[in-house]
Amino acid sequence: DAKTTQPNSMESNEEEPVHLPCNHSTISGTDYIHWYRQLPSQGPEYVIHGLTSNVNNRMASLAIAEDRKSSTLILHRATLRDAAVYYCILKSGNTPLVFGKGTRLSVIA
Amino acid sequence: GAGVSQSPSNKVTEKGKDVELRCDPISGHTALYWYRQSLGQGLEFLIYFQGNSAPDKSGLPSDRFSAERTGGSVSTLTIQRTQQEDSAVYLCASSLDISGYTFGSGTRLTVV
Repeated sequence: DAKTTQPNSMESNEEEPVHLPCNHSTISGTDYIHWYRQLPSQGPEYVIHGLTSNVNNRMASLAIAEDRKSSTLILHRATLRDAAVYYCILKSGNTPLVFGKGTRLSVIA
Repeated sequence: GAGVSQSPSNKVTEKGKDVELRCDPISGHTALYWYRQSLGQGLEFLIYFQGNSAPDKSGLPSDRFSAERTGGSVSTLTIQRTQQEDSAVYLCASSLDISGYTFGSGTRLTVV
């Protein structure tokens, strides 16, 4: 499986933007970049995914580098409810998601 | 319902007993996945069902673990002769093609 590298933890102030980085230097042409998050005591939740172009949805934006070797999940305005572990995962075809350790985001009021 | 439903939400069992965990996926979702998450650990893939294809069992930790999916819908994960190291939250997810997964709330299994 292609691997991703994320910081273990990040901290943000409430109501400020958060940029969560992910490196995936060995990404292949068929790999989609998926982001999930897991709030405390809950199952993971789908956030966003993309292939080459930047993507926006109601939860977040995904900025993908031109060479696709890195990406950034952007939360435009962090709230306390965004405190979670954020997972960046490469997925190709029907292969199951493989979760790494993710980034634990803390949001400070 | 609109989401993935898992039951029971909590299960306490004695070491050596068999347990069955149930997952009811979103209607129409062709793919179903089982994961487990031990306390403070990441998610570990167990097994994956896609349509009528043979399941991908590559993540099952031992032959005490098995799963089936009946009629392309409900799935049951069975753990035989439970051990204390089986204690974890067992999560089920379903998806439609390459879309995002929807996870259930999980079953917290405690083996005493």
